[in-house]
Amino acid sequence: EVQLVESGGGLVKPGGSLRLSCAASGFTFSNAWMSWVRQAPGKGLEWVGRIKSKTDGGTTDYAAPVKGRFTISRDDSKNTLYLQMNSLKTEDTAVYYCTTDAIPRGYCSSTSCYTPFDYWGQGTLVTVSS
Amino acid sequence: DIQMTQSPSTLSASVGDRVTITCRASQSISSWLAWYQQKPGKAPKLLIYKASSLESGVPSRFSGSGSGTEFTLTISSLQPDDFATYYCQQYNSYSGLTFGGGTKVEIK
Repeated sequence: EVQLVESGGGLVKPGGSLRLSCAASGFTFSNAWMSWVRQAPGKGLEWVGRIKSKTDGGTTDYAAPVKGRFTISRDDSKNTLYLQMNSLKTEDTAVYYCTTDAIPRGYCSSTSCYTPFDYWGQGTLVTVSS
Repeated sequence: DIQMTQSPSTLSASVGDRVTITCRASQSISSWLAWYQQKPGKAPKLLIYKASSLESGVPSRFSGSGSGTEFTLTISSLQPDDFATYYCQQYNSYSGLTFGGGTKVEIK
């Protein structure tokens, strides 16, 4: 059974930093492309960013609102995904979900793949407030 | 970024009703559209991918259709477990993977 368990959320002041973790099990994590998706309280879903598997280059892509402030990384030896969030703003307040990119359900161009998300963690709440 | 617009934002329906939710893209996304169901306090669940393909384990009362810029999610006979919020998501490119604003299906 696929399990994704996020941790590391909490209250942080504007301008501060926080690192989220996502522990994965039930599938071959090293082969997976992984994303973070967030949801502000009472609002819709927003894709944050993605990391490819190391086999496919291990590169990252980010949504415009977080580019340059957030960094996604992975430790395949620990089956863990990370989201380092710096220079946090009040508008970053949200539940952050770790997800798997459903490669077989997407499509791949010569340079990348574009996918929906098939497995989700339970989410971890990040509150940015003074 | 490609903008995704869902309508209606809220829908009141009764058990047994046929329900249709619409999602429009600001430019053509071919058939690269997914639908999710989200219940309060829970993570979203993938229902439909590639506009009309049913995810494994999803009841057959759910169906999707459309291509280009206009898409629909239909629930053929609404069940008590289906009261939730539904989101569409385009995955045409990483210029931005974007979601619709959501449609809340409420009990009439």
